[in-house]
Amino acid sequence: AQSVAQPEDQVNVAEGNPLTVKCTYSVSGNPYLFWYVQYPNRGLQFLLKYITGDNLVKGSYGFEAEFNKSQTSFHLKKPSALVSDSALYFCAVRINYGGATNKLIFGTGTLLAVQP
Amino acid sequence: NAGVTQTPKFRVLKTGQSMTLLCAQDMNHEYMYWYRQDPGMGLRLIHYSVGEGTTAKGEVPDGYNVSRLKKQNFLLGLESAAPSQTSVYFCASLGGQRESNQPQHFGDGTRLSIL
Repeated sequence: AQSVAQPEDQVNVAEGNPLTVKCTYSVSGNPYLFWYVQYPNRGLQFLLKYITGDNLVKGSYGFEAEFNKSQTSFHLKKPSALVSDSALYFCAVRINYGGATNKLIFGTGTLLAVQP
Repeated sequence: NAGVTQTPKFRVLKTGQSMTLLCAQDMNHEYMYWYRQDPGMGLRLIHYSVGEGTTAKGEVPDGYNVSRLKKQNFLLGLESAAPSQTSVYFCASLGGQRESNQPQHFGDGTRLSIL
């Protein structure tokens, strides 16, 4: 079965420290991978994506993610956390097949709490 | 540019009542999606549409109906609301197959409580 796993419900980090939010996936074919962020009472905002090419992708607000095909992971990282980064983060995968639906499979979300 | 707009933002219903959630996008997108978000479960796809006049079932379609009479609008209906349908509902859109490597655009959600 196709799935996305975010093993940590919550990640706590001190402001200024590096942060990592983990994501692993299980899909057939070549995946398109996405990270979204959700602030309270808002919709999901796109952060970054991996489609092909360089395994390290950079996105909005200083975030980056590393695609690791052998470990089927796509962890979100940031060198120095800000209090304003506190939010709910979702990893999602879309299968690159010839179909016409481009459906996303989401992880369960990780709440990032950055302490001042 | 409004993007994806959902109405209403909040609603409280009694069990058995019906209602329709509206999603409107102004980006001329072909694909539209309805998700529900529940604690600890991420987002799950209810129904989706790949073009005007077409709809299809997603992962959790039971108890919901949809319609896409106009390209810019995607309606989600609850014919007889149940407490299990208490959730936050999100609509999303995507340009189409030619944009398969692009992210979906999300609305700000509708918070629905069924008493």
